[in-house]
Amino acid sequence: AQKVTQAQTEISVVEKEDVTLDCVYETRDTTYYLFWYKQPPSGELVFLIRRNSFDEQNEISGRYSWNFQKSTSSFNFTITASQVVDSAVYFCTYGGATNKLIFGTGTLLAVQP
Amino acid sequence: DAGVIQSPRHEVTEMGQEVTLRCKPISGHNSLFWYRQTMMRGLELLIYFNNNVPIDDSGMPEDRFSAKMPNASFSTLKIQPSEPRDSAVYFCASSLDALGFYGYTFGSGTRLTVV
Repeated sequence: AQKVTQAQTEISVVEKEDVTLDCVYETRDTTYYLFWYKQPPSGELVFLIRRNSFDEQNEISGRYSWNFQKSTSSFNFTITASQVVDSAVYFCTYGGATNKLIFGTGTLLAVQP
Repeated sequence: DAGVIQSPRHEVTEMGQEVTLRCKPISGHNSLFWYRQTMMRGLELLIYFNNNVPIDDSGMPEDRFSAKMPNASFSTLKIQPSEPRDSAVYFCASSLDALGFYGYTFGSGTRLTVV
């Protein structure tokens, strides 16, 4: 069965530090998608990125970057020069043959001023 | 684009009462999803619709839960009768494609408290 593991339950950093959120997934699907969502303290869920299993190119969007490695079944998320506004719960999510998105348990990131 | 609109934002009800949660998806999105978020179980998919037709309701916890999508712009999730263990945040999301692989757009959620 498919599974998403976010081993880091909570991370606390000081503003301007870089931080990496880990995500490891398990699957036997040959075609699948991976996502990251952000849930700030206000509670809404915000889509950040989508990656398909055939595209291992890393992606950068401003201070955010993502490292997808099929060899290690990982899809890690790095925030460079973190800011207080980055404080949120971040969910790594898998979508594959089951037609359902599977959310990881989330990593709570606290950025201290 | 107003995004996915859910109502109410907060609902407090007594055990045994009927609760109806509402969702308006983004215009043009073909798929709609209902999720429940709790501390114990995280985010769980309850049901999803494609072109207004329920495709998979295997996540609906029991017969007390029902969902409808009478047209492309409106869906409801009903709990009757409600129980304290139903207390959670209920999210509605919509997507361009049937599997949500282009990313969901979530509503702000309805925080339900059953006392």
